[in-house]
Amino acid sequence: DIVLTQSPALAVSLGQRATISCKTNQNVDYYGNSYMHWYQQKPGQQPKLLIYLASNLASGIPARFSGRGSGTDFTLTIDPVEADDTATYYCQQSRNLPDTFGAGTKLELK
Amino acid sequence: QIQLVQSGPELKKPGESVKISCKASGYTFTDYAMHWVKQAPGKGLKWMGWINTYTGKPTYADDFKGRFVFSLEASASTANLQISNLKNEDTATYFCARRLTTVATEFDYWGQGVMVTVSS
Repeated sequence: DIVLTQSPALAVSLGQRATISCKTNQNVDYYGNSYMHWYQQKPGQQPKLLIYLASNLASGIPARFSGRGSGTDFTLTIDPVEADDTATYYCQQSRNLPDTFGAGTKLELK
Repeated sequence: QIQLVQSGPELKKPGESVKISCKASGYTFTDYAMHWVKQAPGKGLKWMGWINTYTGKPTYADDFKGRFVFSLEASASTANLQISNLKNEDTATYFCARRLTTVATEFDYWGQGVMVTVSS
């Protein structure tokens, strides 16, 4: 199984930039696409798709969110951070079955 | 609009069974596979497997082979998850999520989740 590693928590001030990383133990690229996706989950809610295929903004997601990376190293950036962004962020790979998720990064405000 | 609406919370005893439903609307049901994801209390997301909504064929992740069954009521655009011989460690929220059948990309819509509590 592909293992995804995320740092557990991040504290950022309002209006600043948050960068969340996700590293995989295997390459998740395939035929020009990186099969890495990002989700936001708030307590008591379902995950919400933010970024798909590493860098594509999902429908309805503000442009403050962006994703980049390829191969085994990926980042999700939120710039500027707003109060509503406090949540847990998960990366997920779909290159190989089984789909696997990172353990999540909890974003808090300083 | 696209929606995945799941059934309500369940409280069960060890050894019992539970069936959770996920009703899809706003799109052609058979164009998207339905996947299932487990989230234990305070924990992360774990992919359980998926069902091809066109053929009805289920695929289970290794940890979910045996007591877990994915099924369809295609005429009702509904996918179901049944768990038998419930154990305490099955206590979790179970989400359904759709993904294009033909391309293994993102889960673009999720159900609201069903909390299943297993306790004697």
